[in-house]
Amino acid sequence: AQKITQTQPGMFVQEKEAVTLDCTYDTSDPSYGLFWYKQPSSGEMIFLIYQGSYDQQNATEGRYSLNFQKARKSANLVISASQLGDSAMYFCAMRGFQGAQKLVFGQGTRLTINP
Amino acid sequence: EAGVAQSPRYKIIEKRQSVAFWCNPISGHATLYWYQQILGQGPKLLIQFQNNGVVDDSQLPKDRFSAERLKGVDSTLKIQPAKLEDSAVYLCASSLQTGGFGYGYTFGSGTRLTVV
Repeated sequence: AQKITQTQPGMFVQEKEAVTLDCTYDTSDPSYGLFWYKQPSSGEMIFLIYQGSYDQQNATEGRYSLNFQKARKSANLVISASQLGDSAMYFCAMRGFQGAQKLVFGQGTRLTINP
Repeated sequence: EAGVAQSPRYKIIEKRQSVAFWCNPISGHATLYWYQQILGQGPKLLIQFQNNGVVDDSQLPKDRFSAERLKGVDSTLKIQPAKLEDSAVYLCASSLQTGGFGYGYTFGSGTRLTVV
C-alpha cells in the first residue's frame, strides 16, 4: 500500500519569496513516480512536476523544482519567486509501477501568497 | 487536444435520490479513473478502468455506487441512493495507459455534488 503525508495544512508567504511544501511518502514498490498537482479554487487539478524514483537528478519545471530525497522518502515542492496566482491547494501524489498502479494523493496544503 | 469532459458541473439532490455523472476522456486514452474529493481532503480513487475492464474498484462503495465504461470510451458513475456523506467533488481523469510515463494523467473539471 502507498501513503502520502503532507503535514502543512496551510502556508502563508509573501509575494516573490520562495516556498517549500513538504511531502513524505511510504511504499513497498521498488519503482514509483511522485507528482505535484495544483488545484485552484475553480477545482481543476493541474499537473506541475513529476519525479521518477530512479531519476538521478531532481526534476525542475520553470519556477517549480522537486527536492527528492529517496532515503528520507521525501519529495518536497519548491516554488521560487512566488506569485499571487500561486495561491491554491497543492497535492503531492504517488503511483507505484506494480499492480493497479493507482495514483494516491496526500491531504494537501493550502498556499496563500500575500502581496 | 480536447481535455477530459465532465458533466454536469454542479448537482444538488436530496438524500436517497439517485444521480449520475458522465465523463468523456481524452481520445485514445485507455485508462480512466473516477476520484471522490471531499472538501478539505485529497482525492480518493473510487474506480479505475483499463479500456472497458475494471482494474481497481477496491474503494468503491458497491452497495450504492456503480460505474461503467461502455466501449472503452465514455464512462458513467452512478450513486443510488445518495447519502449526505456523498457530498463531494467527483473528478474524472484519463491516461494513455496504466504503465509507462507517470505524468500522463489529465483531470476534468469535476462535478460538485451536494446532497441535502
